[in-house]
Amino acid sequence: EAGVAQSPRYKIIEKRQSVAFWCNPISGHATLYWYQQILGQGPKLLIQFQNNGVVDDSQLPKDRFSAERLKGVDSTLKIQPAKLEDSAVYLCASREASTNEQFFGPGTRLTVL
Amino acid sequence: AQTVTQSQPEMSVQEAETVTLSCTYDTSESDYYLFWYKQPPSRQMILVIRQEAYKQQNATENRFSVNFQKAAKSFSLKISDSQLGDAAMYFCAYRSAGAAGNKLTFGGGTRVLVKP
Repeated sequence: EAGVAQSPRYKIIEKRQSVAFWCNPISGHATLYWYQQILGQGPKLLIQFQNNGVVDDSQLPKDRFSAERLKGVDSTLKIQPAKLEDSAVYLCASREASTNEQFFGPGTRLTVL
Repeated sequence: AQTVTQSQPEMSVQEAETVTLSCTYDTSESDYYLFWYKQPPSRQMILVIRQEAYKQQNATENRFSVNFQKAAKSFSLKISDSQLGDAAMYFCAYRSAGAAGNKLTFGGGTRVLVKP
């Protein structure tokens, strides 16, 4: 079974530029999460989708971050404009309904210069 | 809101020896789940072990076992017979058992170094 796919693996941009990350969850997983992991810290939830609807985006900085999951499968997370403090690893996870276990992708490491 | 605290930034263990990682959490809920995740340099979070709060028996997965103390809100991970491949960041995480509570709340992590 294929795991959670994310791209790109690495991205370097300058502050005030925009960037987008892509996530393809495990087939059949209705729930998708985006986490932000700043260096030296544990992941923090940014947004949770159930199919194509947002369940929880209370920690998403909505003035610069946006996310969508239009067809209830793939998801994109966008940052516009990026700030230095956005440098982090962005992890995508999807949840298996029967066990409630979350499976994580390899993450995208973003460096903002 | 729930919080998870890992007080050990780094732990070192000799190969084949045992190491114990500490985790404490704060919650007002009675039903929840606790997890230990491993994150190697590849960055992929891998589930090591999970514990349901309503179960008194401590979970065990091969060389990994937990000591769950619900009253003390403590959840430590013991790695026995440490192997070089165990070197990684380890994160303790909490998840509410409620219908809307599927998000994971993570601690700050503990880096485990394994010496040959």
